[in-house]
Amino acid sequence: SQQGEEDPQALSIQEGENATMNCSYKTSINNLQWYRQNSGRGLVHLILIRSNEREKHSGRLRVTLDTSKKSSSLLITASRAADTASYFCATVPSSNTGKLIFGQGTTLQVKP
Amino acid sequence: GAVVSQHPSWVICKSGTSVKIECRSLDFQATTMFWYRQFPKQSLMLMATSNEGSKATYEQGVEKDKFLINHASLTLSTLTVTSAHPEDSSFYICSATQTGAAYGNTIYFGEGSWLTVV
Repeated sequence: SQQGEEDPQALSIQEGENATMNCSYKTSINNLQWYRQNSGRGLVHLILIRSNEREKHSGRLRVTLDTSKKSSSLLITASRAADTASYFCATVPSSNTGKLIFGQGTTLQVKP
Repeated sequence: GAVVSQHPSWVICKSGTSVKIECRSLDFQATTMFWYRQFPKQSLMLMATSNEGSKATYEQGVEKDKFLINHASLTLSTLTVTSAHPEDSSFYICSATQTGAAYGNTIYFGEGSWLTVV
């Protein structure tokens, strides 16, 4: 399969708690990106981390990348009900043509 | 900023007919665009790479005669689902890359197109 794996597949938390999602991939990458998708809608780009970076922050988001383990994590701190969505990691292969290989996704539910 | 537009957003067609979905880069030129398919509650699966002025490159398992891709200009790629069947019902989404050192190969997604075959 071209896809990487994400865990958990589904996550349900209370508002205010932190949410952590993990992603593993298979090939060498140029960068890894995280996207959010509300039900039935298009993709929203959240954050991009390059292969030579180990950690990146954007607002309440923190992304880590471990290229030796071919894995990444997305942490959403102080979650809100509006964070309820599906989250996907996607890798850009080293050839960097713009092609994205998506993980299977994590469905996050934040209860008010 | 750069925008990628897809049309139509929603389409319902009868089984056996063909449907065309357009993907346009509105304010930049894209020599390469990508088409993805997403079934309900699943992830996005890359279908093919659309190359301006040449044949598309299809991923393994994607029927090129069923999913016709034409990238006739630097701002437009079209995906035609031929002889559509109910199992082709899905969310189709395209992306385009704004290349160049100033843009860092930024990837932009269209809003997606819902296809329902009845």
